[in-house]
Amino acid sequence: EDQVTQSPEALRLQEGESSSLNCSYTVSGLRGLFWYRQDPGKGPEFLFTLYSAGEEKEKERLKATLTKKESFLHITAPKPEDSATYLCAVQEGTGANNLFFGTGTRLTVIP
Amino acid sequence: EAGVAQSPRYKIIEKRQSVAFWCNPISGHATLYWYQQILGQGPKLLIQFQNNGVVDDSQLPKDRFSAERLKGVDSTLKIQPAKLEDSAVYLCASSLRVGTGTYEQYFGPGTRLTVT
Repeated sequence: EDQVTQSPEALRLQEGESSSLNCSYTVSGLRGLFWYRQDPGKGPEFLFTLYSAGEEKEKERLKATLTKKESFLHITAPKPEDSATYLCAVQEGTGANNLFFGTGTRLTVIP
Repeated sequence: EAGVAQSPRYKIIEKRQSVAFWCNPISGHATLYWYQQILGQGPKLLIQFQNNGVVDDSQLPKDRFSAERLKGVDSTLKIQPAKLEDSAVYLCASSLRVGTGTYEQYFGPGTRLTVT
């Protein structure tokens, strides 16, 4: 059975204090690993898709990396507007386009 | 480009009542998904449509939940009768299509359901 574990559950950072969020996964053949951002009262917002180990993608202060067992979302010099819940999801290589989500990391950036 | 639209945004009902949610996907997106997100958890897939056919409904509690996607565009998710444990946010998402490729799913704002 597919499993996605995100850590930490919650993270408080001072503005400008860089850190990383972790997503470890178990899946029968990874088709893609997705990162989403979710603000309170809103639906998840797509950030990145990673397909193979060694791949990296960047967007503003965010950088996502992928290994065979886990993915990291690195946040460089975060700002208060980066505060949100960050969700990781995996899509396995067979079957439909289903995403299997982790429970998320709730990030708070303090000014 | 307009995003995924959902209505209503909030709904409060008593247990054993029925409720329906509506979703309009991004124009041109053939695949539509309904997810349930319980507070503090990630979204869980309920049902997936491609055009107006069901691709996967293995996680849908079919004794009380039903969904349809007429004409391959809008979709409705219904719960009848509702239970307390159905309190959650119901998210609709759409993507270009299902195939051998990987297509990003784009989510609507969700409907927050409270069952009392």
